[in-house]
Amino acid sequence: NAGVTQTPKFQVLKTGQSMTLQCAQDMNHEYMSWYRQDPGMGLRLIHYSVGAGITDQGEVPNGYNVSRSTTEDFPLRLLSAAPSQTSVYFCASSPLDREFYGYTFGSGTRLTVV
Amino acid sequence: KQEVTQIPAALSVPEGENLVLNCSFTDSAIYNLQWFRQDPGKGLTSLLLIQSSQREQTSGRLNASLDKSSGRSTLYIAASQPGDSATYLCAVHSIGANSKLTFGKGITLSVRP
Repeated sequence: NAGVTQTPKFQVLKTGQSMTLQCAQDMNHEYMSWYRQDPGMGLRLIHYSVGAGITDQGEVPNGYNVSRSTTEDFPLRLLSAAPSQTSVYFCASSPLDREFYGYTFGSGTRLTVV
Repeated sequence: KQEVTQIPAALSVPEGENLVLNCSFTDSAIYNLQWFRQDPGKGLTSLLLIQSSQREQTSGRLNASLDKSSGRSTLYIAASQPGDSATYLCAVHSIGANSKLTFGKGITLSVRP
């Protein structure tokens, strides 16, 4: 059981480039979300999804796009990378019955924008 | 707006000591509270989840308690070991927050041999 898989683990981008961070889960979880972790700021929610075809914004959505075409996948797209998007990105998933089950996190993608 | 606080930001203890990590939150309308461990440069590993109707959960040397009315949770680590050195994050899943977890900034624990 792989859980939540994120790719790539590391990435360096030039300012203005675009890229997609991949996230896949094999637990049939309805909820999926993206967080970024920055020193002194903790983890902040970027976007989330409550099921295929449904997405919504979190605290810090600007500069990012998401879509959810399948239950398993929830990619995060950086439209035009900026140095301020240098961060560690985590994908997380949770089942529908969320009172009884917590979140499972991926191992993260460390992104540097130069 | 839910706010989660973890104090102190860092803690250093000698091996073998029993210790308590604190977490406080401002809104008691929660589904659950989850404690995570994060090793340097790594992802988040779930340690314990306490549902809103529960008072505590135990796993091995770890015991987490929840007092919703006072907005507090504690993570108790018995007989600490150098391998326990990591950052411990508390996260609250608030009711009506549409899947949003609110994290504390974490407590970085160092257990000295």
